[in-house]
Amino acid sequence: NAGVTQTPKFRILKIGQSMTLQCTQDMNHNYMYWYRQDPGMGLKLIYYSVGAGITDKGEVPNGYNVSRSTTEDFPLRLELAAPSQTSVYFCASSYLAGGGSYEQYFGPGTRLTVT
Amino acid sequence: GNSVTQMEGPVTLSEEAFLTINCTYTATGYPSLFWYVQYPGEGLQLLLKATKADDKGSNKGFEATYRKETTSFHLEKGSVQVSDSAVYFCALSDQAAGNKLTFGGGTRVLVKP
Repeated sequence: NAGVTQTPKFRILKIGQSMTLQCTQDMNHNYMYWYRQDPGMGLKLIYYSVGAGITDKGEVPNGYNVSRSTTEDFPLRLELAAPSQTSVYFCASSYLAGGGSYEQYFGPGTRLTVT
Repeated sequence: GNSVTQMEGPVTLSEEAFLTINCTYTATGYPSLFWYVQYPGEGLQLLLKATKADDKGSNKGFEATYRKETTSFHLEKGSVQVSDSAVYFCALSDQAAGNKLTFGGGTRVLVKP
């Protein structure tokens, strides 16, 4: 099992450019999430998905879009990059564990700089 | 809404010292509580969890007890090692909030030899 994989690891964008951050999980988890982590801060939820074809906004969705056409993949799209989107982006997936909790498994992150 | 508050760092300790990181929460339902650890340059890893009041989560010498009366989930380790240097995040998930994780701001721990 590779778990949750993310590409690319690093990226520098110019203001106004667009890009897609890729996320794939091989654990057959229904739930997937995108977070951003700003320097010295906790994680904020951007978008999440409870299954293929279903997505919903999190705490900070502005400037981003997602799609979920398969269980495995959950790409995050930035259409018009802005300096405020400079951050580390983490993808995660989860399943219903014992005790009724949803344990989340995280990818290694994508470090994005917008200049 | 839900929220998690944890002590600010950095926390600097000597090897073999006792570590405690305070975490308190506010939730509308009956949350599950988690501690995640982030080592330098890596993603978050689940360290331990507790799903109901008075449960104790434990892993790698770390422990935390779900205290409903004080809405707390403090993380403790009796004897830290240099390899425990990391950022620790307290988090909760709540069925009433769609099982999404709400994170605290993180506490950086630095253990010196």
